[in-house]
Amino acid sequence: SQKIEQNSEALNIQEGKTATLTCNYTNYSPAYLQWYRQDPGRGPVFLLLIRENEKEKRKERLKVTFDTTLKQSLFHITASQPADSATYLCALSRSSGTYKYIFGTGTRLKVLA
Amino acid sequence: NAGVTQTPKFRILKIGQSMTLQCAQDMNHNYMYWYRQDPGMGLKLIYYSVGAGITDKGEVPNGYNVSRSTTEDFPLRLELAAPSQTSVYFCASSRPRGEGVETQYFGPGTRLLVL
Repeated sequence: SQKIEQNSEALNIQEGKTATLTCNYTNYSPAYLQWYRQDPGRGPVFLLLIRENEKEKRKERLKVTFDTTLKQSLFHITASQPADSATYLCALSRSSGTYKYIFGTGTRLKVLA
Repeated sequence: NAGVTQTPKFRILKIGQSMTLQCAQDMNHNYMYWYRQDPGMGLKLIYYSVGAGITDKGEVPNGYNVSRSTTEDFPLRLELAAPSQTSVYFCASSRPRGEGVETQYFGPGTRLLVL
């Protein structure tokens, strides 16, 4: 069955360092991969989308890579700040057929001052 | 724009009761979704709609019903509440594929407790 895996353990890093979060998937061929941020008690907020024919996407301090051979996406936050502390979710969708996304369980990031 | 709004924010139901979770968006999005999120779990798609009058099942539709009579509203109905439906429910909307970046805009969520 389709499966998306994100590190279930929280990731703690020091302020100023680069945080790297991983999203692995199996039994799935996504055409689109998205990353969302979710703060406690709130709905997810869209951050970045990357398509299967794109290797890398950047937005300010954020960078996403997408390796369809490894079936993996990496999400990087450079020069991390305590305000970046949140749970980060990845979501996958196919290019055709029903228009649905499947979500990973998310990784909780804590940036220590 | 208010974006995606959901009511109520929190509700306690007794087993067997029914209720409707309301969702509305003012962005003129065709696509709308209902997800549930259990503690430590990802979002699970319950139902989705690609336009008024068109709905389809997601990954976990059992125990729920939806309707989409207008572009703006997408209510989720629980007919016979069960403890397994205790969760946080999120509604989301987006533009159709090909009409810009596929951002899903999420509402603030409804926390439901079934006792």
